[in-house]
Amino acid sequence: GQNIDQPTEMTATEGAIVQINCTYQTSGFNGLFWYQQHAGEAPTFLSYNVLDGLEEKGRFSSFLSRSKGYSYLLLKELQMKDSASYLCAVSEVGSARQLTFGSGTQLTVLP
Amino acid sequence: GAGVSQTPSNKVTEKGKYVELRCDPISGHTALYWYRQSLGQGPEFLIYFQGTGAADDSGLPNDRFFAVRPEGSVSTLKIQRTERGDSAVYLCASSPRGQGGETQYFGPGTRLLVL
Repeated sequence: GQNIDQPTEMTATEGAIVQINCTYQTSGFNGLFWYQQHAGEAPTFLSYNVLDGLEEKGRFSSFLSRSKGYSYLLLKELQMKDSASYLCAVSEVGSARQLTFGSGTQLTVLP
Repeated sequence: GAGVSQTPSNKVTEKGKYVELRCDPISGHTALYWYRQSLGQGPEFLIYFQGTGAADDSGLPNDRFFAVRPEGSVSTLKIQRTERGDSAVYLCASSPRGQGGETQYFGPGTRLLVL
């Protein structure tokens, strides 16, 4: 089974940097995803990490440490439109390709 | 559009009624997933199809829930004798081959309210 923890809420200021952490426990890790979900909309894919290290994609970066069961999503140069829920999800070896999601971190970007 | 589509977008029903929720995946995607999302929570896995067959239905909460994908494309999630606790957003996702580590693309969901 899996246990995924991430903060419930975070607040940051427009133009700033914010780091959203995610810790997980799994019996057979097969990758970690970050999704963004605006209220009332579908989750949209942001990043995927399967090896340790940092993956950078524009203003968004994602980091993974498999030995620590830890990931973070880094958002730079925050914009108002970044206000959304950020979902951490883990894929497990041997599972039927399903993703197990955390409860999401609701980020509010203030002017 | 080329994304995952779901109908209806909203469904209000009465306790005890039967409902069907439809998902149209991205063309060519062989893997299709159903999730359920309650307010303030992440999506929870219900069932996964590879082609026409249900490869894993371990997430279905009970035998009132059933899903089909008869031609390997469109899928229908069926809920019998609905209960108020079934109220949630039902999300569908698809991926190209259903391989580990593959990105799943989500539809906008069907918001089900059971009165």
